[in-house]
Amino acid sequence: DAGVTQSPTHLIKTRGQQVTLRCSPISGHKSVSWYQQVLGQGPQFIFQYYEKEERGRGNFPDRFSARQFPNYSSELNVNALLLGDSALYLCASSFTGTANGYTFGSGTRLTVV
Amino acid sequence: RKEVEQDPGPFNVPEGATVAFNCTYSNSASQSFFWYRQDCRKEPKLLMSVYSSGNEDGRFTAQLNRASQYISLLIRDSKLSDSATYLCVVNIGRDSGGSNYKLTFGKGTLLTVNP
Repeated sequence: DAGVTQSPTHLIKTRGQQVTLRCSPISGHKSVSWYQQVLGQGPQFIFQYYEKEERGRGNFPDRFSARQFPNYSSELNVNALLLGDSALYLCASSFTGTANGYTFGSGTRLTVV
Repeated sequence: RKEVEQDPGPFNVPEGATVAFNCTYSNSASQSFFWYRQDCRKEPKLLMSVYSSGNEDGRFTAQLNRASQYISLLIRDSKLSDSATYLCVVNIGRDSGGSNYKLTFGKGTLLTVNP
């Protein structure tokens, strides 16, 4: 079975641009969470979606938004990119939406120049 | 105070050594505790959950002290393949909205096992 898949794997954007990152959860998983990992730090929670509804939001500005589609895949959008948005963006899926059963994708590495 | 704090590291140890990782958490309402392993430029992967009674998985032993809000991971007989960053992770459980969804990660401690 396929694990959590994320696309693209790498991305380079210019300051001020917008970016969309995509995530497909493990088949049967209804919950998707997004995390940002800046170099040298642990992952930081951005959003969780369960059954297409936002369950939680971390301490990130409104430039960050997300949504979940009927097939449970998800997109993370970041507007007006800043240099500080350069990070590894991780998607995690779980069946029930509880934090104990997460599987992470391999991430999208975003570089803002 | 940070929600989850770990030894800053890095740790450099010879093969066969025993190495201990320490972690403290600030929220006494925390309910679930984990150690994740992250290889260079890869995603975090669950190494083991941590239970109040302590638990062991082969060469790995995890301990939890709720009174001290302290978590530990011990690796015995370390192997070259144990080289990675070890992340202490806490779930505070249900928030005021009733959701149980957020993992809080420590900064991680880099371990290098040398031949």
